[in-house]
Amino acid sequence: SQTIHQWPATLVQPVGSPLSLECTVEGTSNPNLYWYRQAAGRGLQLLFYSVGIGQISSEVPQNLSASRPQDRQFILSSKKLLLSDSGFYLCAWRSGYSYEQYFGPGTRLTVT
Amino acid sequence: QKEVEQDPGPLSVPEGAIVSLNCTYSNSAFQYFMWYRQYSRKGPELLMYTYSSGNKEDGRFTAQVDKSSKYISLFIRDSQPSDSATYLCAIIVPLKSNDYKLSFGAGTTVTVRA
Repeated sequence: SQTIHQWPATLVQPVGSPLSLECTVEGTSNPNLYWYRQAAGRGLQLLFYSVGIGQISSEVPQNLSASRPQDRQFILSSKKLLLSDSGFYLCAWRSGYSYEQYFGPGTRLTVT
Repeated sequence: QKEVEQDPGPLSVPEGAIVSLNCTYSNSAFQYFMWYRQYSRKGPELLMYTYSSGNKEDGRFTAQVDKSSKYISLFIRDSQPSDSATYLCAIIVPLKSNDYKLSFGAGTTVTVRA
């Protein structure tokens, strides 16, 4: 069966510091991968998506970037965090043969 | 106009009651609909996935789509305290690069009282 992992689970970072969040999927190959952010009062918003290695598309302009160095690895990064980057970051995957998206456990980021 | 709207609640019901959750969507071209359950501080978990109109049942859960009124519903029968969570409706929206995203409602927080 497929499993999705995210780490770290929680993170507290000062403004201006860098960020790296990692997501990996097990038990499938060539998944479509997604980064969403869930901020208080704003619901779940798609940030980045990837249909394959090195292929990244951004849904909204922001202070963040994403990379997919391996088939089942998706990384969310920032060079300098802003207060507004605080939130719950969720990675999701889907098979290319279906529409259902499955979410990881999330990373709770607090920028101070 | 938002792609999907959901009443955030909160909703509090006694154990055993029927929970009724609703969303409306804006674009009649949308055809695929999902319901997720999210426990506090956890990732969303896929509950139901429906296509087009009609009902789909899975145990105590029933998902309903009314395309004529652009309305989707989730019913939980014989609700249990373990059903206490936030329920998110979502529609599947095409993206530019032959992919799809989920556009979510705000989520409805449900509490089932023992």
